[in-house]
Amino acid sequence: DAGVTQSPTHLIKTRGQQVTLRCSPKSGHDTVSWYQQALGQGPQFIFQYYEEEERQRGNFPDRFSGHQFPNYSSELNVNALLLGDSALYLCASSFWVAGPQETQYFGPGTRLLVL
Amino acid sequence: QKEVEQNSGPLSVPEGAIASLNCTYSDRVSQSFFWYRQYSGKSPELIMSIYSNGDKEDGRFTAQLNKASQYVSLLIRDSQPSDSATYLCAVKSGNEKLTFGTGTRLTIIP
Repeated sequence: DAGVTQSPTHLIKTRGQQVTLRCSPKSGHDTVSWYQQALGQGPQFIFQYYEEEERQRGNFPDRFSGHQFPNYSSELNVNALLLGDSALYLCASSFWVAGPQETQYFGPGTRLLVL
Repeated sequence: QKEVEQNSGPLSVPEGAIASLNCTYSDRVSQSFFWYRQYSGKSPELIMSIYSNGDKEDGRFTAQLNKASQYVSLLIRDSQPSDSATYLCAVKSGNEKLTFGTGTRLTIIP
């Protein structure tokens, strides 16, 4: 049973560039959430996708956008990269159930360095 | 602003002892509570989830929840060097986003 996968594992970009990160959810899962984790901090919620729509969004600028495909995989796009965007980007998948028991499982992450 | 607070540590515990990790949260309507373990350079791995007041045990791990005090803890019995990691507490209301604490760094001393 394949877990959550993310690509690429590492990425180096320069300021002003654009980046696309990819995530495939765990088998049977239909919801994908993206988080940004800076060094020494807990993950910060970026947004969540379900049924190919953004359901929730955290406190991130419009430079951060995403997409979910019919096979439930997802992309995170970041435009006009800033040095402060350097972080570990985590994808978490879950099976959507109404109520509190929805449980998220994380992929290995993509480490982005902006120079 | 919903907040989750953890002592950043480091918390040092002798091998074989009980490690106790604590977490408080500010949003009284929080319904779901999770503990994730994160090794250095890796992604968070789910250890435990708890939804009701009281204790929940899974192997060497016990999660404790007290909603009245807005407090959740994780006990690790018979601590092993492989338990050395950062432990993240996460809180959720219904289907809303997970809110994480900054994590507690735990070191098990052989």
